[in-house]
Amino acid sequence: DAKTTQPTSMDCAEGRAANLPCNHSTISGNEYVYWYRQIHSQGPQYIIHGLKNNETNEMASLIITEDRKSSTLILPHATLRDTAVYYCIVRVGGGNTGNQFYFGTGTSLTVIP
Amino acid sequence: GAVVSQHPSRVICKSGTSVKIECRSLDFQATTMFWYRQFPKQSLMLMATSNEGSKATYEQGVEKDKFLINHASLTLSTLTVTSAHPEDSSFYICSASPSTNEKLFFGSGTQLSVL
Repeated sequence: DAKTTQPTSMDCAEGRAANLPCNHSTISGNEYVYWYRQIHSQGPQYIIHGLKNNETNEMASLIITEDRKSSTLILPHATLRDTAVYYCIVRVGGGNTGNQFYFGTGTSLTVIP
Repeated sequence: GAVVSQHPSRVICKSGTSVKIECRSLDFQATTMFWYRQFPKQSLMLMATSNEGSKATYEQGVEKDKFLINHASLTLSTLTVTSAHPEDSSFYICSASPSTNEKLFFGSGTQLSVL
């Protein structure tokens, strides 16, 4: 699976949009982009995923560039409870892929009051 | 969404003893489950893939005799840390998905402390 690169840490003011970038320049055509977050001492929580189209759900939006070499996770109105480590993962979808998710270092997001 | 339950949430044991951690998929069947380990301030590291009815697949560098994995049913996988030592103290997390093309759902983790 392709490797991802994320900034180590970011701050965001409460109520503002948090934009978390992820670089996956070696992504293959059949690899999806997944975003998870982990609040301290808990299991990771699924946020969103996509292949090439932009995606939106109740938690966030995922913007994938046309060449798919990078993506941005957007939390539209960050709250203090969004303070967490956010992981961007790419993995092959479909078929007998084994479904392994390999986590990178992630971005530690701190939402500031 | 699908629920993965992990038990216990916290365990303290003496050095040299074995500890078993359970991972259950509550509302779906999982032919494959995954075990991760996480040290403080570090990312999750995939340890092994648990396969129902067959042997687990371990990641490079993970001792299979140290970390015994059993996946006896479609809803239960167990990780046994054998002859635990203080360096095995870590946060252990399991995960599973309803199908190979689905997102992973994670348990709440088990904090193991070996004295």
